[in-house]
Amino acid sequence: GESVGLHLPTLSVQEGDNSIINCAYSNSASDYFIWYKQESGKGPQFIIDIRSNMDKRQGQRVTVLLNKTVKHLSLQIAATQPGDSAVYFCAENFSGGYNKLIFGAGTRLAVHP
Amino acid sequence: ETGVTQTPRHLVMGMTNKKSLKCEQHLGHNAMYWYKQSAKKPLELMFVYSLEERVENNSVPSRFSPECPNSSHLFLHLHTLQPEDSALYLCASSQDLSFTYGYTFGSGTRLTVV
Repeated sequence: GESVGLHLPTLSVQEGDNSIINCAYSNSASDYFIWYKQESGKGPQFIIDIRSNMDKRQGQRVTVLLNKTVKHLSLQIAATQPGDSAVYFCAENFSGGYNKLIFGAGTRLAVHP
Repeated sequence: ETGVTQTPRHLVMGMTNKKSLKCEQHLGHNAMYWYKQSAKKPLELMFVYSLEERVENNSVPSRFSPECPNSSHLFLHLHTLQPEDSALYLCASSQDLSFTYGYTFGSGTRLTVV
């Protein structure tokens, strides 16, 4: 189940550098956001989430920032490693009757030694 | 393994064939989803099931027919598909529709329609 994304924007970084992946979401009423990572041959995997009452959340080597004013989400990866190479998707929780996740287009992260 | 298993991993079918995709989860989740992932569009939600009842059919053509016989299994029956239906089909599950701590995805079925 590799990620299909021939037309995805690509971020190329050197191993050890920090990476910042950006995402614009669509619905100002969305209250919950998730970053997913999709490696070649796998489905999307949960990385980190954030609720709309927060503007920053940190995990292990990853930080998510939320700017509700401009409907922008970012994922920061510290000391990027070759194993971080993947496609990254942001998703917003849209409560239109019931909760469902709406995904962004994705960004391909390529880590070079 | 994420706990959501999809079979087959790869499928090639002709436009006149009938095939089925299978998804199975033993996470105790009550909601299951089918997504389509293609090169031209972001992940597209196709169907949503909650407690074996379909709650969303997101303008999906009738050549795709979902079935949810119990909360652990979800199928996608395919018939008379078109080449543009070639894509990665992903199954996901969540605790329920109100529990949005993310979905758990399977690895997908790579479908090629010839």
